[in-house]
Amino acid sequence: GAVVSQHPSWVICKSGTSVKIECRSLDFQATTMFWYRQFPKQSLMLMATSNEGSKATYEQGVEKDKFLINHASLTLSTLTVTSAHPEDSSFYICSARDPQAYNEQFFGPGTRLTVL
Amino acid sequence: AQSVAQPEDQVNVAEGNPLTVKCTYSVSGNPYLFWYVQYPNRGLQFLLKYITGDNLVKGSYGFEAEFNKSQTSFHLKKPSALVSDSALYFCAVRDTGNDMRFGAGTRLTVKP
Repeated sequence: GAVVSQHPSWVICKSGTSVKIECRSLDFQATTMFWYRQFPKQSLMLMATSNEGSKATYEQGVEKDKFLINHASLTLSTLTVTSAHPEDSSFYICSARDPQAYNEQFFGPGTRLTVL
Repeated sequence: AQSVAQPEDQVNVAEGNPLTVKCTYSVSGNPYLFWYVQYPNRGLQFLLKYITGDNLVKGSYGFEAEFNKSQTSFHLKKPSALVSDSALYFCAVRDTGNDMRFGAGTRLTVKP
């Protein structure tokens, strides 16, 4: 099946710094990618939908200036958490939609962000 | 808007017994329904999906789910649980052309 990778798998940073998380579709081209956030023992919450070559669409309540999303190519989307604070600590999961597979979404392994 | 509900936060079963993890959905139009499993600090692993066709869907690791339109349910089942099945299970729904929405998750614990 289709594979989606994320890098890094975990990151620890100081408060106030910015962190970039990469999401790649390894064997297919994804015109649409999604970023989710998951708090401990909770479900995935959709943060934003990323379309290649255009601005991301953010869900209500998600600060677009804080969570910068770039989908510069058909295989790469990045999420940058700017000026991170401890409350941004979470598990971030991306997924990519494969148009050649009935638009099915394939999920990355997730990135654990810890802000000190 | 589409949504799913997983009424149980936790399901406990003994190894070898059958298991059921419940899911109900609300969607306009024809639903695309999914089950995923998540192990600690890992992403979601696809188990199975229903788009059309037979109401009983067979998936990975011996899991299956039954689509019931009249009850708007899509319960996940397995005839004989394994300790290694212990994980967090998510039901998800996608309307045609829309994004995927997840249930709150159900933690399955299989005891030896």
